[in-house]
Amino acid sequence: NAGVTQTPKFQVLKTGQSMTLQCAQDMNHNSMYWYRQDPGMGLRLIYYSASEGTTDKGEVPNGYNVSRLNKREFSLRLESAAPSQTSVYFCASSTWGNEQFFGPGTRLTVL
Amino acid sequence: QKEVEQNSGPLSVPEGAIASLNCTYSDRGSQSFFWYRQYSGKSPELIMFIYSNGDKEDGRFTAQLNKASQYVSLLIRDSQPSDSATYLCAFTYSGGYQKVTFGTGTKLQVIP
Repeated sequence: NAGVTQTPKFQVLKTGQSMTLQCAQDMNHNSMYWYRQDPGMGLRLIYYSASEGTTDKGEVPNGYNVSRLNKREFSLRLESAAPSQTSVYFCASSTWGNEQFFGPGTRLTVL
Repeated sequence: QKEVEQNSGPLSVPEGAIASLNCTYSDRGSQSFFWYRQYSGKSPELIMFIYSNGDKEDGRFTAQLNKASQYVSLLIRDSQPSDSATYLCAFTYSGGYQKVTFGTGTKLQVIP
């Protein structure tokens, strides 16, 4: 089992460009999450999907959109990247309310 | 008041000593508590979870929960240099949805 996979691992964007971060899990989890991690700020929830077909905003959703494509896949889209979105992005999955399993992360730099 | 508070550290302990990491939270209805370890440049991984008041032991790790005082702690016995990492506490809300809230983490350094 691969667990939680994320692509790409690294990305550099120019301000205003768009991109989609991909996440997939093979643990048959119902819930999936997107976090960003910045120095001194801890993990902040961007969006989550409690189950297939549902998505909800987290703590810092502005500037992002998500799609729960199916039970396995949950993507995060930046429509018009800004330097403030420079961060490390983690995808995670879990059974509801329980231990979260994290992907390896995407390191995004917006110039 | 922040929802969860952790001392950012670094907390430095000599090899073989007990490392004590603490976390306080503000939501009295919080239900489940987790400790994650994150090595530099890596993703968080769960090392302990605790739901009930008291102690829970797993190898060299002991999680302690006191809901009345709203704190959770992690003790690492016989600390090893490989324990050097950032430790994140987390909890689930008692509200209608169970999203997990993370602390900012405490950096632990185990000195050989």
